[in-house]
Amino acid sequence: AQKITQTQPGMFVQEKEAVTLDCTYDTSDPSYGLFWYKQPSSGEMIFLIYQGSYDQQNATEGRYSLNFQKARKSANLVISASQLGDSAMYFCAMREGRRANNLFFGTGTRLTVIP
Amino acid sequence: DTGVSQNPRHKITKRGQNVTFRCDPISEHNRLYWYRQTLGQGPEFLTYFQNEAQLEKSRLLSDRFSAERPKGSFSTLEIQRTEQGDSAMYLCASSSGLAGGPRETQYFGPGTRLLVL
Repeated sequence: AQKITQTQPGMFVQEKEAVTLDCTYDTSDPSYGLFWYKQPSSGEMIFLIYQGSYDQQNATEGRYSLNFQKARKSANLVISASQLGDSAMYFCAMREGRRANNLFFGTGTRLTVIP
Repeated sequence: DTGVSQNPRHKITKRGQNVTFRCDPISEHNRLYWYRQTLGQGPEFLTYFQNEAQLEKSRLLSDRFSAERPKGSFSTLEIQRTEQGDSAMYLCASSSGLAGGPRETQYFGPGTRLLVL
């Protein structure tokens, strides 16, 4: 089974609008971390936001917030007030337990912001 | 710039040739990771170093691949006898080793894009 599933290959959003990118995960480990990365066409993976499995509140970082629904095993990324520079690939990733290695990535969602 | 750096950024080679990539992690990060990303996919883990010790290797890392981190600072990834299937983006990441556990954030470099003809 896939550990990270991103079901939206592509998404479009109007500039200044909010958009939600979906991510579901699969693990039996009670301790895990969920990450979102942005990958522009240049190729670099840019860390956006982190959510721990024991965190009581949804993570927020500026215009990024994470809608964490533990029972549903979903960790959707919400981008508010979209900007043209937000156009990129977005990857959801997970690390399980206390291992320091092995981020598991989804297949990504390509976001296009329309002016 | 104190981020992760990788060289070269692009490499074109002929099948059967050897190639070597270099990664310089964020200063004082003791953990270093290599990933491979093929077109339309997310990155896949290859190997992990803590200081100079290579602690884990993925099954993706065939015996034609070797990675080193001799002094616990920069790392090299060598591919011998390249095949067309090796064409991919090779990403390096580093983390501080301070947070521990699932909270540990990996910071990525710009990647080396390899094309094997």
